[in-house]
Amino acid sequence: QQQVKQSPQSLIVQKGGIPIINCAYENTAFDYFPWYQQFPGKGPALLIAIRPDVSEKKEGRFTISFNKSAKQFSLHIMDSQPGDSATYFCAARASGSRLTFGEGTQLTVNP
Amino acid sequence: EAGVAQSPRYKIIEKRQSVAFWCNPISGHATLYWYQQILGQGPKLLIQFQNNGVVDDSQLPKDRFSAERLKGVDSTLKIQPAKLEDSAVYLCASTGPGGLFNGELFFGEGSRLTVL
Repeated sequence: QQQVKQSPQSLIVQKGGIPIINCAYENTAFDYFPWYQQFPGKGPALLIAIRPDVSEKKEGRFTISFNKSAKQFSLHIMDSQPGDSATYFCAARASGSRLTFGEGTQLTVNP
Repeated sequence: EAGVAQSPRYKIIEKRQSVAFWCNPISGHATLYWYQQILGQGPKLLIQFQNNGVVDDSQLPKDRFSAERLKGVDSTLKIQPAKLEDSAVYLCASTGPGGLFNGELFFGEGSRLTVL
């Protein structure tokens, strides 16, 4: 029940495309859903996060869509750039408990 | 503001040897975490400290892994004896006074361990 399932495992898009990464969860106690971005040789860094009382959050070119009834959330990257090439992790947390990460999606944006 | 510092960045050892990793969190961050990230997987929490006390070590293989955070600042993670499956990146992270309430974990660059 602590799992967060992420797909796809890898994704290749052309510059300007809109990659979409999906995550699903089972634990209805989860109340916080962040996305982390990780470049090779670096630690993950927080990109954007959402709480279940809203269905969408946008920060710059990054948007999280949240579907509470389906227990799914996704990351959309508008006008993707080669510099967005990285591994993206979704995560989830229930209040007072540990952050559980998905398995990661390796995104490649070709010029 | 200085980030989370970790050392060494890389370590190669033979199985059954021991290794230690060091972490210095962001100044003022009371909560410190050690994560294990196996290649191609997401980070998995090993242990969480609040100041110098352990909050969660339920996923730490205590027969071979140990960690301490003396004086509530920097921390050391030790593996003894190492197994092949311990090959991974060990990430240290910290959060501010609100812990995970505000959600942001600040990660170091990690220590990559290869066990031969």
